[in-house]
Amino acid sequence: GAVVSQHPSWVICKSGTSVKIECRSLDFQATTMFWYRQFPKQSLMLMATSNEGSKATYEQGVEKDKFLINHASLTLSTLTVTSAHPEDSSFYICSARDRVKQFFGPGTRLTVL
Amino acid sequence: DQQVKQNSPSLSVQEGRISILNCDYTNSMFDYFLWYKKYPAEGPTFLISISSIKDKNEDGRFTVFLNKSAKHLSLHIVPSQPGDSAVYFCAASAPTAGTASKLTFGTGTRLQVTL
Repeated sequence: GAVVSQHPSWVICKSGTSVKIECRSLDFQATTMFWYRQFPKQSLMLMATSNEGSKATYEQGVEKDKFLINHASLTLSTLTVTSAHPEDSSFYICSARDRVKQFFGPGTRLTVL
Repeated sequence: DQQVKQNSPSLSVQEGRISILNCDYTNSMFDYFLWYKKYPAEGPTFLISISSIKDKNEDGRFTVFLNKSAKHLSLHIVPSQPGDSAVYFCAASAPTAGTASKLTFGTGTRLQVTL
């Protein structure tokens, strides 16, 4: 099956710094990638939809200036959490879509101190 | 507004028995439903799906049932195995013109299969 990778798998940073998370589709081209966030014992919440070559579409309540998304190629999307704060600590999961199915990355655990 | 609900946060089933995980939805525009399995600190993996034109889809030990009138679907796992222990998410999507459909996830049900 299709594989989606994320890097890093976990990151700890100081409050106020920026963190970049990469999402790659390894064996297929993904025109659309999705970024989700999951708080403990809660559902996966869609943050934004990333389309290659165009601006991301953010869900209501998600700050686009804080969560910068770049979908530079058909196999790579990046999420940058700018000026991170402790409340941004969460599990971030990307997903890439081929023609039929949606595949999820392994997730990135972000802890902001 | 939780459009997809999984009212049972946890379920414990004995090995060999049937596991039944339930999911309810409120958005009548949803026309495609999926079940994902998730281990801690990992991304979800796709299990099985069903289109709204069907009421049952079966894949090995996994069967999904859809009751459109009740806006309810369920995942049956039989026989349950210890390796099935994980969190199961129900997800739904609605048709969107010109853009990729977004998935709306339920809150998950933690299944524990005991020996």
